[in-house]
Amino acid sequence: SAVISQKPSRDICQRGTSLTIQCQVDSQVTMMFWYRQQPGQSLTLIATANQGSEATYESGFVIDKFPISRPNLTFSTLTVSNMSPEDSSIYLCSVLNEQFFGPGTRLTVL
Amino acid sequence: GQSLEQPSEVTAVEGAIVQINCTYQTSGFYGLSWYQQHDGGAPTFLSYNALDGLEETGRFSSFLSRSDSYGYLLLQELQMKDSASYFCAVRPSGNTPLVFGKGTRLSVIA
Repeated sequence: SAVISQKPSRDICQRGTSLTIQCQVDSQVTMMFWYRQQPGQSLTLIATANQGSEATYESGFVIDKFPISRPNLTFSTLTVSNMSPEDSSIYLCSVLNEQFFGPGTRLTVL
Repeated sequence: GQSLEQPSEVTAVEGAIVQINCTYQTSGFYGLSWYQQHDGGAPTFLSYNALDGLEETGRFSSFLSRSDSYGYLLLQELQMKDSASYFCAVRPSGNTPLVFGKGTRLSVIA
């Protein structure tokens, strides 16, 4: 099993700014997944973060907009850059083949 | 492309049984997963089927028919706390990310 924490739990940001979301796992994991869930919608994978290599981004998501760091086997960050209201979503990290999800970061962009 | 179809909403009475269906069209099939998500909460993994048949975990069961590209989640002895959104998800191959359905909102009424 895995216990995942995320910071911040929620934030309200201004258009054009950036927010970095942290994901901490209580055990070492090879892959960490970052998902977005827009209001009332399903989950969409943004990227897969492997320690020691560049993140792998899904179609429609680019590194300039969503840079990811993975400095060790228990931690990752996702930055949402140059935000617009369309970025208002819940951002979730997940591990162990998506068996475990973090509590999410609820982002509102004004 | 990849697509999963599930009903958008289901309403059932407390104590009853409800079945949430999921049909999928994906480039491959490695397994079908189910998740529960309460409002404001993170997705919680419920079950995983890689082979045909029924998997039972307490009040919840999940069924898969690979020949029909179909599965369902069965919830028995419904409780008010089961009111949530339920997502099916397919992994097209062992090293590809999950593809999620749009979710079924279950309302349990007295």
